[in-house]
Amino acid sequence: GENVGLHLPTLSVQEGDNSIINCAYSNSASDYFIWYKQESGKGPQFIIDIRSNMDKRQGQRVTVLLNKTVKHLSLQIAATQPGDSAVYFCAESPSWGKLIFGQGTELSVKP
Amino acid sequence: DAGVTQSPTHLIKTRGQQVTLRCSPISGHKSVSWYQQVLGQGPQFIFQYYEKEERGRGNFPDRFSARQFPNYSSELNVNALLLGDSALYLCASSFGSTSSGANVLTFGAGSRLTVL
Repeated sequence: GENVGLHLPTLSVQEGDNSIINCAYSNSASDYFIWYKQESGKGPQFIIDIRSNMDKRQGQRVTVLLNKTVKHLSLQIAATQPGDSAVYFCAESPSWGKLIFGQGTELSVKP
Repeated sequence: DAGVTQSPTHLIKTRGQQVTLRCSPISGHKSVSWYQQVLGQGPQFIFQYYEKEERGRGNFPDRFSARQFPNYSSELNVNALLLGDSALYLCASSFGSTSSGANVLTFGAGSRLTVL
């Protein structure tokens, strides 16, 4: 079935380094993708989104890259901070209101 | 401004019982979606409601039902609870139009259900 998957379940980085979290999706018809951050005991928090007519979008310290050819999505976090420690989910949206989430990648930032 | 609010935050039920979870969307948001998040996994889509009508349903049994009220708040009901229903139930709201950014779902903190 359609799903969105993550390559690495855990990622450990040193404070100040850049982090890259990868994601593969399988539904070539999806035209909207979102990254969420979920801290323990909280709901997912929106980070950044991108539409399929773009291949890169930048936010504050975060960049999302979309490669439609290989159905790959990545989230780059610059100068990773301890507060960035969380589980990160990519999700595709086949229609508004519906998101298909991947399993998630746990990011751990070492001081 | 208040975000998406959900109640109760935690509850414990036994197998066979019924549960009702409640959600208040962000003011101005007309679409509410429900997700189930089992420990260690990503959220899975259950329902979407817009303007009090069901607009989408995920792969969940008929024991799961929901509704949306005129004030856009929503309830999720689960009947005949099973142990496997233990999860974090997340509610998310959005503006609900096709305009850019309308797909951004804002999630609540969830209702953690434990079925014994």
